[in-house]
Amino acid sequence: ETGVTQTPRHLVMGMTNKKSLKCEQHLGHNAMYWYKQSAKKPLELMFVYSLEERVENNSVPSRFSPECPNSSHLFLHLHTLQPEDSALYLCASSQEGGDDGYTFGSGTRLTVV
Amino acid sequence: LAKTTQPISMDSYEGQEVNITCSHNNIATNDYITWYQQFPSQGPRFIIQGYKTKVTNEVASLFIPADRKSSTLSLPRVSLSDTAVYYCLVGGVVTGGYNKLIFGAGTRLAVHP
Repeated sequence: ETGVTQTPRHLVMGMTNKKSLKCEQHLGHNAMYWYKQSAKKPLELMFVYSLEERVENNSVPSRFSPECPNSSHLFLHLHTLQPEDSALYLCASSQEGGDDGYTFGSGTRLTVV
Repeated sequence: LAKTTQPISMDSYEGQEVNITCSHNNIATNDYITWYQQFPSQGPRFIIQGYKTKVTNEVASLFIPADRKSSTLSLPRVSLSDTAVYYCLVGGVVTGGYNKLIFGAGTRLAVHP
């Protein structure tokens, strides 16, 4: 357990489904991130929230919708996904000015069928 | 953000010291150098971070020359459990107070018996 918890660990969804990924951090960090890791590709930064405000959206399709209701929780709402969206979705948190980098969760393995 | 270049893969044997070098020619004055380790289907784990000279912790050492255009992660006496992908990242706190880290392809280290 890293202090960043992601649920569910595995998710299979159809292209017409709506689902949400949840991330919770117990570290008192004030920034949270969503990354996508596809097979044999580097991690791709999707969204950044700093002090509960979205500060980065790296050209992510609108079928991915993030939500950060408070500094401890981050969601990624999914709808009308495509098979190529199948990947490991990783949540991370960090502390402004901190010197210990990011803390990542274990990820949600998403399969779109 | 400064781009990093590191070997795609490396092989080693148990008990040996492993040195992974990363090039970051365009590193900015306020950038830190951070290394992460990732096992399959898990989120990356912070290993070590430095700004200049040498940093050592219980896991690894990080050597940074005076020009900071490269860095070397040193893993003493590796074991089979050190088989993983190692990422070198360069970045710092951006306006707004959060850290933006972009991952490259990493170095796939294989430790053999």
